[in-house]
Amino acid sequence: DAKTTQPNSMESNEEEPVHLPCNHSTISGTDYIHWYRQLPSQGPEYVIHGLTSNVNNRMASLAIAEDRKSSTLILHRATLRDAAVYYCTGGGMYSGGGADGLTFGKGTHLIIQP
Amino acid sequence: DTGVSQDPRHKITKRGQNVTFRCDPISEHNRLYWYRQTLGQGPEFLTYFQNEAQLEKSRLLSDRFSAERPKGSFSTLEIQRTEQGDSAMYLCASSRASLAKNIQYFGAGTRLSVL
Repeated sequence: DAKTTQPNSMESNEEEPVHLPCNHSTISGTDYIHWYRQLPSQGPEYVIHGLTSNVNNRMASLAIAEDRKSSTLILHRATLRDAAVYYCTGGGMYSGGGADGLTFGKGTHLIIQP
Repeated sequence: DTGVSQDPRHKITKRGQNVTFRCDPISEHNRLYWYRQTLGQGPEFLTYFQNEAQLEKSRLLSDRFSAERPKGSFSTLEIQRTEQGDSAMYLCASSRASLAKNIQYFGAGTRLSVL
C-alpha cells in the first residue's frame, strides 16, 4: 500500500488559494493519486484524482510532481464550506482483481478563517 | 441517485453482543467497500466486494468480523462478541469499476459504541 504523509493542519483565509501538499514516495507506478475530504459527521467525499498529469475539475486542481512522489491539491478560492479534513490516498486503481481499497493517512485538517 | 445509505446511523451495544450493519450502495455500482474509522484517524480499509464476490477479506480485523453481499446489492457487516476496542465509525463505499478510475462514494457511516 502507498504510504502518504500530510501536514496535520493548515490554516487559510476565506477567498484565498490553498495549497495542500502530500508526499507519497512509496506509490507504485500504476496507482492513482486520489484526494478525498471529510466534513464533520460525514463520510469522505471524492475531490479529484490523477495518475501523471495535472488535473482540474470544478472543485479543485491537482498538481502531480514529475517523479510522482508528491502532489498538491489546490483550492483556488477557499470558502468556509471547504473547512474539512483532506486526505490524499494511493491505490484504488482498477487492476482486474487486486485489492482496491484506498489507504488513508491522518489527513490535513484545513481551517478557513473568515 | 440517492447516494450510499447506511443503517443504523448509531448503535450502542454491550460488550459481548453481536451487531450487524447494513449498507445500500448506489444502484448501478458493482463494487462495495467497508472501512473502519477511529477518532483522529483516516478510514482503514477492511474488505470489498465485486458484485456478490468478496475479493479481499484479509484486512478484516479478526475472525469476529464478517461481511456478506448475497445478491450483489446491499451488504451487511457483522461483528460478533463485540469488544470495547471495536468502538468506531464503520463506513461503506461503493463504486462502478472501470479501467480508468475507481472513484468511491461513501455513506455517512454507522457509529458503534461498545459499553
